[in-house]
Amino acid sequence: SAVISQKPSRDICQRGTSLTIQCQVDSQVTMMFWYRQQPGQSLTLIATANQGSEATYESGFVIDKFPISRPNLTFSTLTVSNMSPEDSSIYLCSVGTGRVQETQYFGPGTRLLVL
Amino acid sequence: AQKITQTQPGMFVQEKEAVTLDCTYDTSDQSYGLFWYKQPSSGEMIFLIYQGSYDEQNATEGRYSLNFQKARKSANLVISASQLGDSAMYFCAMRGPSGSARQLTFGSGTQLTVLP
Repeated sequence: SAVISQKPSRDICQRGTSLTIQCQVDSQVTMMFWYRQQPGQSLTLIATANQGSEATYESGFVIDKFPISRPNLTFSTLTVSNMSPEDSSIYLCSVGTGRVQETQYFGPGTRLLVL
Repeated sequence: AQKITQTQPGMFVQEKEAVTLDCTYDTSDQSYGLFWYKQPSSGEMIFLIYQGSYDEQNATEGRYSLNFQKARKSANLVISASQLGDSAMYFCAMRGPSGSARQLTFGSGTQLTVLP
């Protein structure tokens, strides 16, 4: 299984600012996924990032608010822009190929609190 | 569209006893995968067990087993000999073969508390 790390592990930010979350994997992976988990809620997919192409965003998420970079097969960043208290969540990076039978592993998450 | 339903927001179990966490799903796909994850208070998502739609045997991983009833579209997680460290949120998830179904779809979760 892939070993996934995220930075920062947690942060407290002021509204109106931006935060970039990094996701590093110890092996090359096809697809990287970014999820948001709002307090007391389940996980919601923000976008899928493939190397060399634009990220694919899910309904309700836009690139201006959550720009994503995927410069190579082991690294991705998610930026949360112009933050508001509603952005307070756990942000999780995950990797996989999207095959039906494949286990999808997650990073440790980034806890974000926006004041 | 695929959907996962977990009807138990919270469950309590006595230490050393077994507990079943319910999960039902809805999909029109014939090929799909079912997953259970554990999320402790630290926030990380820990993979527990996987069941493929074509698997004839119920999946088992140590103290975890998956009671897969395809006709009923249920995939309940059974934890045997509960331990205090099992206290966490548990999520059922599924993935289909194509299009938007290829993304993992999660249920709302069940908060399990193991009592000493």
